[in-house]
Amino acid sequence: NAGVMQNPRHLVRRRGQEARLRCSPMKGHSHVYWYRQLPEEGLKFMVYLQKENIIDESGMPKERFSAEFPKEGPSILRIQQVVRGDSAAYFCASSPRQVMGQPQHFGDGTRLSIL
Amino acid sequence: GQQLNQSPQSMFIQEGEDVSMNCTSSSIFNTWLWYKQDPGEGPVLLIALYKAGELTSNGRLTAQFGITRKDSFLNISASIPSDVGIYFCAGTMYSGGGADGLTFGKGTHLIIQP
Repeated sequence: NAGVMQNPRHLVRRRGQEARLRCSPMKGHSHVYWYRQLPEEGLKFMVYLQKENIIDESGMPKERFSAEFPKEGPSILRIQQVVRGDSAAYFCASSPRQVMGQPQHFGDGTRLSIL
Repeated sequence: GQQLNQSPQSMFIQEGEDVSMNCTSSSIFNTWLWYKQDPGEGPVLLIALYKAGELTSNGRLTAQFGITRKDSFLNISASIPSDVGIYFCAGTMYSGGGADGLTFGKGTHLIIQP
């Protein structure tokens, strides 16, 4: 998992604060995906981005959540006005292209805890 | 939405035994992936399958893409202690310009007793 870098590894926020999660894809990968994992659950797709574009955000909550992947720098998943239910592990994955034969590789996640 | 049913939910086995787990889907996929997740880490890709009926091995691991495109199984032969972890199946549909995220099963917890 060393290729996809996520930080911070752990993030603690109080209700109402903002959480910013960062993801640097593997070298040469221009496609980034964000997933959320609740305890004892599988990962749930949230959003898929290419550089400067959101391609598919069908799994993203309509309010308080946003994602970006700027031309320079990491992808950011932003959660505004966090609530207890946002506590989860958030994983980023990357792939070189969105074609068959180029599977997604995951980072080690950010564990978000809401007090 | 698409759902993946992964079974069994957990397995308690003796070291050296073979392991088998499977996933079924409510809709077809053209790609099946198997990942392993250790505590505190992200999923690590084990095997990727791209063709119905395909049988692929990776060391002691063997996975098959079901002929109906709605199921897949993973076998682990001669289990060892480091096989402990959670195994996830995931499926997706790649199409021309398509951009589906992965749909994951809920995982199979593998516990090995020495």
